[in-house]
Amino acid sequence: QLQLQESGPGLVKPSETLSLTCTVSGGSISSADFYWGWIRQSPGKGLEWIGNIYYSGSTYYNPSLKSRVTISVDTSKNQFSLKLSSVSAADTAVYYCARLRMAYYFDCWGQGTPVTVSS
Amino acid sequence: QSALTQPRSVSGSPGQSVTISCTGTSSDVGAYNYVSWFQHHPGTAPKLMIYDVNKRPSGVPDRFSGSKSGNTASLTISGLQAEDEADYFCCSFAGNYYVFGTGTEVTVL
Repeated sequence: QLQLQESGPGLVKPSETLSLTCTVSGGSISSADFYWGWIRQSPGKGLEWIGNIYYSGSTYYNPSLKSRVTISVDTSKNQFSLKLSSVSAADTAVYYCARLRMAYYFDCWGQGTPVTVSS
Repeated sequence: QSALTQPRSVSGSPGQSVTISCTGTSSDVGAYNYVSWFQHHPGTAPKLMIYDVNKRPSGVPDRFSGSKSGNTASLTISGLQAEDEADYFCCSFAGNYYVFGTGTEVTVL
């Protein structure tokens, strides 16, 4: 059974870079049928798509975050990662990683990891 | 891109039916038959309940059904059960972009 697990610091200082990793187990991140994505949920803005990556490294980002977001994949570790630079309090949220099937719907999610931006 | 609009909460007694709406625009819900619905208990992983507007993944009870008309998609829970009490949100593909609903709390009275 596929499982996704987010990991990373729960507290990040303003202006610094948020870094999270999603570890995939029970399936290969290199499968041709899937993309892998990051979504966040904040009290103020609800659920927001951050971006997706294919195992080949192709990426698609939310235009509103594109200038600050980098998503990368490590197929040898079956992981993909998120970096969000120049964070502010507005980036405080629960961050989820998820599998995207056929590029149209997220069919499996991690349980989410809370990240607070504060000094 | 604006969030899809859902009612904040809906409620029903066991055995009743409830319907949750998800209103978008002609650029997302209205443009594609790629609306999905998720059940979410806070602190856990969201669970896919409906995809491609009206398809159920294996293991999801047939009490859950989806539909779409114009720019509004809907999730109906028939024969409401206590275990259905949760948050529900929709998601629509919007052409290399994904937009989510504002979320609905379902309460079983």
